[in-house]
Amino acid sequence: EPEVTQTPSHQVTQMGQEVILRCVPISNHLYFYWYRQILGQKVEFLVSFYNNEISEKSEIFDDQFSVERPDGSNFTLKIRSTKLEDSAMYFCASSDMGGLNTEAFFGQGTRLTVV
Amino acid sequence: AQSVTQLDSHVSVSEGTPVLLRCNYSSSYSPSLFWYVQHPNKGLQLLLKYTSAATLVKGINGFEAEFKKSETSFHLTKPSAHMSDAAEYFCVVSESYGQNFVFGPGTRLSVLP
Repeated sequence: EPEVTQTPSHQVTQMGQEVILRCVPISNHLYFYWYRQILGQKVEFLVSFYNNEISEKSEIFDDQFSVERPDGSNFTLKIRSTKLEDSAMYFCASSDMGGLNTEAFFGQGTRLTVV
Repeated sequence: AQSVTQLDSHVSVSEGTPVLLRCNYSSSYSPSLFWYVQHPNKGLQLLLKYTSAATLVKGINGFEAEFKKSETSFHLTKPSAHMSDAAEYFCVVSESYGQNFVFGPGTRLSVLP
């Protein structure tokens, strides 16, 4: 069964450092998403991506964040200068029809710890 | 804009008894609705989805949910809880193509022996 894969599963970084979280969406999917879940809190939308550009982003997704689909298979989330409050589980997801009549498939997540 | 309310942050049931996890949504259009489950230290797994076909939707592991437009509800049920059902459950709504999936705050289900 096809699945979304995320690497690494856990990343520890020092405050102020740049991190790149990597995701390989399901191959025939067209819509890609990043969500985050701070420990003990709800799952929050960060950004959606379609046709090689951002289609929607939340208030959380400020200038410190960027996304890229560099090679047609990977989908990355970059945080330029990490803050302590960026510590969270980050989930990548993909879907084929962008939400109507079809579900999002989520990866296992990357736990980011900023120290 | 769509939103999701899960009225109970924590539900505790005994093994073998019924489960009811409540979800109410707000949407300007005819939404698609989903239930996802998250076991401890695991990712998000789809339990079931409503996509404007049958209002009673059956999912994996014996769960089902009924879409009630008049009540704007999509409650999740299971006739008999199992210990392995202990997890966090999220109700999720999406309105249209290209829209993001909006999560409810989650309900933690505990199953007592």
